[in-house]
Amino acid sequence: SQKIEQNSEALNIQEGKTATLTCNYTNYSPAYLQWYRQDPGRGPVFLLLIRENEKEKRKERLKVTFDTTLKQSLFHITASQPADSATYLCALGRNAGNMLTFGGGTRLMVKP
Amino acid sequence: ETGVTQTPRHLVMGMTNKKSLKCEQHLGHNAMYWYKQSAKKPLELMFVYNFKEQTENNSVPSRFSPECPNSSHLFLHLHTLQPEDSALYLCASSPGTNPYEQYFGPGTRLTVT
Repeated sequence: SQKIEQNSEALNIQEGKTATLTCNYTNYSPAYLQWYRQDPGRGPVFLLLIRENEKEKRKERLKVTFDTTLKQSLFHITASQPADSATYLCALGRNAGNMLTFGGGTRLMVKP
Repeated sequence: ETGVTQTPRHLVMGMTNKKSLKCEQHLGHNAMYWYKQSAKKPLELMFVYNFKEQTENNSVPSRFSPECPNSSHLFLHLHTLQPEDSALYLCASSPGTNPYEQYFGPGTRLTVT
């Protein structure tokens, strides 16, 4: 069965460092992958979308890589700030229907 | 705000009650979604509507009944729920069903007693 794995343990880093979050998947051939941020008590907020034929995508301090051979995506936040503290979700989708399958999320804590 | 509103924000209902959750999007999108988020479980897609037509029912029990009267409104009708249905129910919308980002509402926290 399809499986999407994100580190369920919280990631604690110091302000100013680069945070790297991992999303691994098995038994799935996604056409694209999305990353979302979710704060407590709120809905997820879209951050980045990367397609299967793209290796890397950037947006301001965010960078996503997508390796379909390793079946892995890495999500980086450079120069992290306490305001970046949240849960980050990866989601995989196929071309038809925009139906996303989400991972369980990784909680990031950035300490001042 | 994301342009997607949900009401009520919190709901407590007994197992024999009937209630409805409402979602409205002000983004001019054509696709709308219902998701369930339970504690310690990934977000689960329940239903997808595109241009008011249901395109996906992800094996959801019949005690959950969606309704999409137009592209801006989506309802989830609830009846004879079980305690394990307690969760955060999230609505989302997107321009269409091509690979697009989805815009989520704040969710309805449902407790079934």
